[in-house]
Amino acid sequence: EVQLVESGGVVVQVGGSLRLSCAASGFTFDDYVMHWVRQDPGKGLEWVSCISWDGGSTYYADSVKGRFTTSRDNSKNSLYLQMNSLRTDDTALYYCAKAKILENGMDVWGQGTTVTVSS
Amino acid sequence: DIQMTQSPATLSASVGDRVTITCRASQSVSNWLAWYQQKPGKAPNVLIYQASSLESGVPSRFSGSGSGTEFTLTISSLQPDDFATYYCQQYRIYPWTFGQGTKVEIK
Repeated sequence: EVQLVESGGVVVQVGGSLRLSCAASGFTFDDYVMHWVRQDPGKGLEWVSCISWDGGSTYYADSVKGRFTTSRDNSKNSLYLQMNSLRTDDTALYYCAKAKILENGMDVWGQGTTVTVSS
Repeated sequence: DIQMTQSPATLSASVGDRVTITCRASQSVSNWLAWYQQKPGKAPNVLIYQASSLESGVPSRFSGSGSGTEFTLTISSLQPDDFATYYCQQYRIYPWTFGQGTKVEIK
C-alpha cells in the first residue's frame, strides 16, 4: 500500500524551530518529487515547498522562503521540513504529498501533522 | 506568482444536478492544472490532471476542460458522495498555487 505518514507537529512558541518528518512506503521513493502543503484550520490549501528526487533542487513559497528548508533522505524513504523563525501564521495542518509522474499534480497525500505556533 | 481564482465560493445543489466550477489563472498555465476534492477531516484527492485527464479510479461523472487561463470542473450528475470542497491548482511554474476552494453543499 502506498502511504505517507507525517510526524513532528507540536505546539511551539513564536520564533521557535521545528522539524517535520514524512515517512514513505509502498513506492520507489527516490523516483519522485515530494511536496509539502499546509492548510489553516477551516481554510484553503497553500503549497509550501518541494524537493527533486535527488534533493538537488528545492522550491519554496514566498511566505516561507528563507525560514523553511526541505530535505530528504532516500536511504530512509523520508522527507523533512525544517521550520525556523516560526510565526503565528505558520499555524496549520502540514501535509506531505507525492508528485504524480511528470509532476502532474500530487496523487498521494499523508494524513497531516498539526503545527501550532503560540504567542 | 500565479493567482488562481475559483467561482463560486459556495454552491448549493441537489443530487442529480449538473454542477460546474470555474477556475481562472492570472496568467496562462497552458494545461498544467489539477483539480482536487477534499472532504472534512481528510486529505485532498486528485480528480483531474493536465486540465482534462481523469485520475485513475475517479468516477467518469467528473470532467475537466479548459486551457490557458480559464478552466472548468464539471460533475455531470451530483452524487451524495460528491458533497465536498474542490480546489484547482496550477503546476506550470513554481510556486505552485491553489484556488481558494469551492464548497459544494446540499440544497
